[in-house]
Amino acid sequence: QQQVKQSPQSLIVQKGGIPIINCAYENTAFDYFPWYQQFPGKGPALLIAIRPDVSEKKEGRFTISFNKSAKQFSLHIMDSQPGDSATYFCAASKMSGANNLFFGTGTRLTVIP
Amino acid sequence: DAGVIQSPRHEVTEMGQEVTLRCKPISGHDYLFWYRQTMMRGLELLIYFNNNVPIDDSGMPEDRFSAKMPNASFSTLKIQPSEPRDSAVYFCASSPDRGREAFFGQGTRLTVV
Repeated sequence: QQQVKQSPQSLIVQKGGIPIINCAYENTAFDYFPWYQQFPGKGPALLIAIRPDVSEKKEGRFTISFNKSAKQFSLHIMDSQPGDSATYFCAASKMSGANNLFFGTGTRLTVIP
Repeated sequence: DAGVIQSPRHEVTEMGQEVTLRCKPISGHDYLFWYRQTMMRGLELLIYFNNNVPIDDSGMPEDRFSAKMPNASFSTLKIQPSEPRDSAVYFCASSPDRGREAFFGQGTRLTVV
């Protein structure tokens, strides 16, 4: 059973566009929602994370929007660049108790120059 | 710190052979995770350790898979006997504390022919 559902599977945007990647979860015990970025041949690396006590978090061109009632969160990339082309994973975990991260299936983003 | 170090980076083996993947976590990190990444299933957690003790191995697919962490600076994931469907990229990750960022190694690409 997929704990975190992610869409779309792939996404192509023009440079300067704003790709949006969506994730949904069921377990209301989750209280930590990170996004990871993975370049080919590399391991995933933490990009940005949010706790459910806020509805939005921005770091540079990357923004997480969080809707607790809908159990959904999304990643927006402002002014996307070709260097942002990578696979993006959302994830969820509990800050207490078990420490395993449950990952979405990933979104392959391509930003066309 | 050099980050999480995995070896080998690539492994090609014949079906039925034993395969051992190795991981050196970041010094001081109490949590160690083994993930498997495939196109079909994304990132799957196989097992994780806390202070060298296995906490959750429910993701280990079969008895052919085993993992050990004899000390705080070394872990192995062993597959015996290997099968073609085990072909995937295996990641090791470590984390300094419960619910904190997971730092991934560069992965081992395993091909079983």
